[in-house]
Amino acid sequence: NAGVTQTPKFQVLKTGQSMTLQCAQDMNHEYMSWYRQDPGMGLRLIHYSVGAGITDQGEVPNGYNVSRSTTEDFPLRLLSAAPSQTSVYFCASSYEQGFDTQYFGPGTRLTVL
Amino acid sequence: AQKITQTQPGMFVQEKEAVTLDCTYDTSDPSYGLFWYKQPSSGEMIFLIYQGSYDQQNATEGRYSLNFQKARKSANLVISASQLGDSAMYFCAMREGEGGSNYKLTFGKGTLLTVNP
Repeated sequence: NAGVTQTPKFQVLKTGQSMTLQCAQDMNHEYMSWYRQDPGMGLRLIHYSVGAGITDQGEVPNGYNVSRSTTEDFPLRLLSAAPSQTSVYFCASSYEQGFDTQYFGPGTRLTVL
Repeated sequence: AQKITQTQPGMFVQEKEAVTLDCTYDTSDPSYGLFWYKQPSSGEMIFLIYQGSYDQQNATEGRYSLNFQKARKSANLVISASQLGDSAMYFCAMREGEGGSNYKLTFGKGTLLTVNP
């Protein structure tokens, strides 16, 4: 199993550009989520999904869209990038049942100029 | 109010000694889970240990143990026999409730552990 994969690993955008961060998992996990990590802030939840076709907002959803058309993929879209979205983005997945561990992808380091 | 509080921004420990990283949490839900993750300088998030609110015994995973004091709402991570490779950022996290939308993790701000030779 590849686990949770994220692409790209690094990205530089200009203000106003849009892009999609990719996340995929091959563990047949129902639950997937996106976090952002900023210095001194820990990880904060952006959006999450409890299964294909179901998504919901987390703590900091503004400026981001998600969709879940398949169990495996959970892309995160930045609609119009802003410097405040400069961060490291982590995708995570877990089984839905019980308090299963969330497995994290390697992260995407995004810089918005 | 913060749901997860890690009061130690940084900690230092000598190699081969034990170290305790503090974590307190705030929830009114009787069902919850507590997690510790390690983030080395390479950036990945590595799961270390889990404690459920109904678990009677403290969780242990190799050199890691979780000192769970439910009445005090604390879930401290104890690392025994520290190694140089333990130098990393450590995050405490909580998941509240069961089922449905209650699979979100709330993270603390982390503790940076440095192991000295």
